[in-house]
Amino acid sequence: SQQGEEDPQALSIQEGENATMNCSYKTSINNLQWYRQNSGRGLVHLILIRSNEREKHSGRLRVTLDTSKKSSSLLITASRAADTASYFCATDSISSGSARQLTFGSGTQLTVLP
Amino acid sequence: EAGVAQSPRYKIIEKRQSVAFWCNPISGHATLYWYQQILGQGPKLLIQFQNNGVVDDSQLPKDRFSAERLKGVDSTLKIQPAKLEDSAVYLCASSPGRGEQFFGPGTRLTVL
Repeated sequence: SQQGEEDPQALSIQEGENATMNCSYKTSINNLQWYRQNSGRGLVHLILIRSNEREKHSGRLRVTLDTSKKSSSLLITASRAADTASYFCATDSISSGSARQLTFGSGTQLTVLP
Repeated sequence: EAGVAQSPRYKIIEKRQSVAFWCNPISGHATLYWYQQILGQGPKLLIQFQNNGVVDDSQLPKDRFSAERLKGVDSTLKIQPAKLEDSAVYLCASSPGRGEQFFGPGTRLTVL
């Protein structure tokens, strides 16, 4: 089942603008991760935020986590055409047997227009 | 370091035929995952290995899907017989255990 749900499903912006994507989840997590997927390619890890962190930065990426609301947001600043891709949030929870596994949302398709 | 390798990249088969996918994880990564990604959706975990043992296969349709990881390194995922709804991208990922997963390019399966 899908744990995280991204919002919006699709986002189209002009180059140079900021893009914000949101993710909501349902159960307790160890951490939340964001991944990017270019068309026809595998997923690439962008950033991980632990359950005891509230905000994290990596280059042009800023992630926030609100565990009380079970939500996260990914902000991409000064977007570029090369940022066009699908973005997925994934929640890391402990499954049976203490195995770490990710549950992915349905993704946000970001299109950055030149 | 070399990434996760998968083959083939594309496969087209008729329904009721069999198909197998291969994955070579990043060297030293104990955990290996197989995901199914249907068009427009996020990846769904099919099976998780820790070394050569199965940790979680609760979402694997065991009547037609099987997977193995020999010697705790390479892994194969098989579908027999395939159905139309199996058309998807099959992603392999590996992890050293810190949480981050490293994905291969995937195999796009089309069942006609």
